[in-house]
Amino acid sequence: EIVLTQSPGTLSLSPGERATLSCRASQSVSSSYLAWYQQKPGQAPRLLIYGASSRATGIPDRFSGSGSGTDFTLTISRLEPEDFAVYYCQQYDSSLYTFGQGTKLQSK
Amino acid sequence: EVQLVESGGGLVQPGRSLRLSCAASGFTFDDYAMNWVRQAPGKGLEWVSGISWNSGSTDYADSLKGRFTISRDNAKNSLYLQMNSLRAEDTALYYCAKGTRWLAFDYWGQGTLVTVSS
Repeated sequence: EIVLTQSPGTLSLSPGERATLSCRASQSVSSSYLAWYQQKPGQAPRLLIYGASSRATGIPDRFSGSGSGTDFTLTISRLEPEDFAVYYCQQYDSSLYTFGQGTKLQSK
Repeated sequence: EVQLVESGGGLVQPGRSLRLSCAASGFTFDDYAMNWVRQAPGKGLEWVSGISWNSGSTDYADSLKGRFTISRDNAKNSLYLQMNSLRAEDTALYYCAKGTRWLAFDYWGQGTLVTVSS
């Protein structure tokens, strides 16, 4: 089973700043099957990025994904107040999905 | 509009069974794989199980050790999760999630809460 490790655990930034979230896999992951989700308190997760770098429908272009192999990054170019939430990466391999433990993005 | 509505959660004693349902609407249900994902209180997301569009393939998280069974009824646009031999560690909010061709989950329900306690 591929383990995804997200860092940092918590990120404190201010609106307008740039956020960089990391997702590292225990072994190589197909870029086609790497996704990022946003979850706000009391809400279901929302798909942001699929295929490592493709934005899901309706996702603002301040969100971008990159990476390959074992290292992937979610970047939020300029934080808006509504972007403070928990972010998860997810991968699919050998009929199994795994999620990272999440990064909490909080307002400074 | 895509809608996924879970039901069937509740309080159950350890060792007992529970069946969750997910009613889907707003898309062609039998075109897509479907999944269950759970989230223990205050914890992260854990994929539980997935099923292909025609039920030909089912997959489970290793941690479940055969206690859960996923199924679907395309005629009823419904997804199910039969959970047996429930344990306290199965306590979680269970989400139904629609799969995509890129093997991500693009729509989620609001979840149904399962509490396993004596």
